[in-house]
Amino acid sequence: TQLLEQSPQFLSIQEGENLTVYCNSSSVFSSLQWYRQEPGEGPVLLVTVVTGGEVKKLKRLTFQFGDARKDSSLHITAAQPGDTGLYLCAPHPPSGGSNYKLTFGKGTLLTVNP
Amino acid sequence: DVKVTQSSRYLVKRTGEKVFLECVQDMDHENMFWYRQDPGLGLRLIYFSYDVKMKEKGDIPEGYSVSREKKERFSLILESASTNQTSMYLCASSFDSRGLGELFFGEGSRLTVL
Repeated sequence: TQLLEQSPQFLSIQEGENLTVYCNSSSVFSSLQWYRQEPGEGPVLLVTVVTGGEVKKLKRLTFQFGDARKDSSLHITAAQPGDTGLYLCAPHPPSGGSNYKLTFGKGTLLTVNP
Repeated sequence: DVKVTQSSRYLVKRTGEKVFLECVQDMDHENMFWYRQDPGLGLRLIYFSYDVKMKEKGDIPEGYSVSREKKERFSLILESASTNQTSMYLCASSFDSRGLGELFFGEGSRLTVL
């Protein structure tokens, strides 16, 4: 059974600060998705990382996939109140696993205060 | 834009009632999913469907059933609602035949069972 952990569980910061959240597993992933869920909405895909060591940037958000493909991080530069939300990671199992049974982490709840 | 529409944003039901949660997607996606989201437990997969009339159990199918008579519609059924089924229910769809694609979520249905 894959153990998936996101940290920290809660994060409250001031506007303009930088932050990093993490997604770690005991298993190797074939790829990993990050979603953001704003209050009262469903999650929305931010990015998919596929290659070990890969770094992807989305404006002020930087996503990194670990070399061993067992972990990922999301770094936000100069956070804004609009970044407030629940950040969820969802790794895809290696080939041969049931790709439909996508497992989500419990998420990091980020609050950016003005 | 892909749109996943859940029939009810808020429902209040009594223990023992039969509950139907409806979900419709308008992008001809093959795959549809039902998740429930609870504080501290994250998103958990109840059932998914990769084709019309096809369904498979997710991680927590007990107490639930599903129906997919048409490609665009996926219904979650609680045969006899119980208080421990009070939760946020999220429907999602995706087009990737390998189950690796982006999940598009509805806004959620918050069910309270009294």
